Amino acid sequence: KQEVTQIPAALSVPEGENLVLNCSFTDSAIYNLQWFRQDPGKGLTSLLLIQSSQREQTSGRLNASLDKSSGRSTLYIAASQPGDSATYLCAVDSSGTYKYIFGTGTRLKVLA
Amino acid sequence: DGGITQSPKYLFRKEGQNVTLSCEQNLNHDAMYWYRQDPGQGLRLIYYSQIVNDFQKGDIAEGYSVSREKKESFPLTVTSAQKNPTAFYLCASSMAGVLHEQYFGPGTRLTVT
Repeated sequence: KQEVTQIPAALSVPEGENLVLNCSFTDSAIYNLQWFRQDPGKGLTSLLLIQSSQREQTSGRLNASLDKSSGRSTLYIAASQPGDSATYLCAVDSSGTYKYIFGTGTRLKVLA
Repeated sequence: DGGITQSPKYLFRKEGQNVTLSCEQNLNHDAMYWYRQDPGQGLRLIYYSQIVNDFQKGDIAEGYSVSREKKESFPLTVTSAQKNPTAFYLCASSMAGVLHEQYFGPGTRLTVT
């Protein structure tokens, strides 16, 4: 059974730092992996989707990488800003049947 | 504006009552999903639907029911059989096929006392 883990659970960094959020999954046979952002009390906003055949995707200051063989994905945030403060979740579709498995998220706080 | 709407934002019910949560999308997406989010836990899939008039159970379907009579709508009923209904409920949609992004609504916070 696929399990998705995100470490650390919480992270505080000063503004301007580059940072990396981690996502690990136990079954490397995945179809795609998606990174989301969630602000308190709100829905999820899709950040990046990586297909199983891809190794990375980029959007602005965000870069997500995928290493299926090691069961890991990382979300790199460049030049962090206070507005980046949120919970970041990764989700894996390992069956191709629309059933995403979510990690518990990393709560990020960027200090001004 | 295209998007997913969920109503209401907050919902309060007495124990033993059924309650229906609304989810509407105008993105022309084929697939729709319902998730539950509890503090300190990841999202858990309740039900999903790939096409009108068809839906499948997710990991925690007990005590919930859904219908998919229209492409745009996927209402979720929380029945009195659900033992711990208080939670944040999120609806999502995506295009058909396994490689498409999921888009989420703003959520409904249900409190049952």
